[in-house]
Amino acid sequence: AQSVAQPEDQVNVAEGNPLTVKCTYSVSGNPYLFWYVQYPNRGLQFLLKYITGDNLVKGSYGFEAEFNKSQTSFHLKKPSALVSDSALYFCAVRVYDQTGANNLFFGTGTRLTVIP
Amino acid sequence: DAEITQSPRHKITETGRQVTLACHQTWNHNNMFWYRQDLGHGLRLIHYSYGVQDTNKGEVSDGYSVSRSNTEDLPLTLESAASSQTSVYFCASSEGLPPLTNTQYFGPGTRLTVL
Repeated sequence: AQSVAQPEDQVNVAEGNPLTVKCTYSVSGNPYLFWYVQYPNRGLQFLLKYITGDNLVKGSYGFEAEFNKSQTSFHLKKPSALVSDSALYFCAVRVYDQTGANNLFFGTGTRLTVIP
Repeated sequence: DAEITQSPRHKITETGRQVTLACHQTWNHNNMFWYRQDLGHGLRLIHYSYGVQDTNKGEVSDGYSVSRSNTEDLPLTLESAASSQTSVYFCASSEGLPPLTNTQYFGPGTRLTVL
């Protein structure tokens, strides 16, 4: 069965330092991977996605993610964290299921806090 | 600008009542989705639709129903609200093709409390 895991419920990082939010996946077939961010009392906003091609994907707000097939990971990164990056981050994977549907499966989320 | 809206943003209801949450998108997207967000579970899919008159059950569909009579709207109905359905509900939409690679866009959410 397909799944996605975010092993850290909470990540704290100092402003200006690099940040990493981890995501691992388990799917049969090719994975299509997404990162979303949720600010307080808001809906999810799309950050970036990996479909195929270059393993390093660049997205909104200076975020990037590296697809690693051998480690089945898709970690979100940013070279220099901002206080405004503090939010809840979700990794998601899309696969076909046995009915032919192709929906998103979300991780449980990681709360990122950037400390001034 | 095109957008996706949800109403109401907050709702308090009593156990056993029927509740309908509205979702409206102006992107003309074929695909629409309803999720619930609970602590420790992330987002879980309730129902989805790939076009007018098409509806499908997701991972946690028991106690919920949807109907798709036009492209813009996918209302979510709780037939008889239960306390276990207290949650934050998100609607999302995406373009039709190619379905595996397209991006879902989310509404602002509805916080539902069932007393």
